[in-house]
Amino acid sequence: AAGVIQSPRHLIKEKRETATLKCYPISRHDTVYWYQQGPGQDPQFLISFYEKMQSDKGSIPDRFSAQQFSDYHSELNMSSLELGDSALYFCASSFVAGPTNTEAFFGQGTRLTVV
Amino acid sequence: SQQGEEDPQALSIQEGENATMNCSYKTSINNLQWYRQNSGRGLVHLILIRSNEREKHSGRLRVTLDTSKKSSSLLITASRAADTASYFCATDPPGAGSYQLTFGKGTKLSVIP
Repeated sequence: AAGVIQSPRHLIKEKRETATLKCYPISRHDTVYWYQQGPGQDPQFLISFYEKMQSDKGSIPDRFSAQQFSDYHSELNMSSLELGDSALYFCASSFVAGPTNTEAFFGQGTRLTVV
Repeated sequence: SQQGEEDPQALSIQEGENATMNCSYKTSINNLQWYRQNSGRGLVHLILIRSNEREKHSGRLRVTLDTSKKSSSLLITASRAADTASYFCATDPPGAGSYQLTFGKGTKLSVIP
């Protein structure tokens, strides 16, 4: 079965530009998460969606926004990019079964470099 | 605040030896998951253990969970060079409507052939 698909895999942008990252979750998964991982750092939670509604929000800058569409794919929009936004951005998906979540599977990530 | 903390931060062993990594967390959890990450690559899901479970096995992996001590351990038996990677634990909080995983800082495992 196909895993979580992220695009693009690599992205180079200049400061103050805008970037859009896309995530296609595993089929029938109802929850999507976005994470940012800086060099040598652990993944930091940005935001999640359950059934196309924003569910939790972490350390996501106001310059970033995200949404989940009717086909369950999600996009992370990043504006006014800064050098410090250079990182690996991961999307993950899972299926929530009642009050107990199931395994979250991650995509291969998008490596964003801001120059 | 950081939920999971891995211990040790780095571990170097010979091929064939066992590797044990520990994770401690601060608040109540629903599940605890372990992930592997090769340098600069994606996070690969290894195993999920629920808060009402104490031990789980998957191939060469053995995970234990002690909710009274808020800690978990990941044991990799008969390690191989291909096991070289960073290992992270991630927890999610209890209660419906909570959809986030909090990661620890990871243990960097090096398996020397």
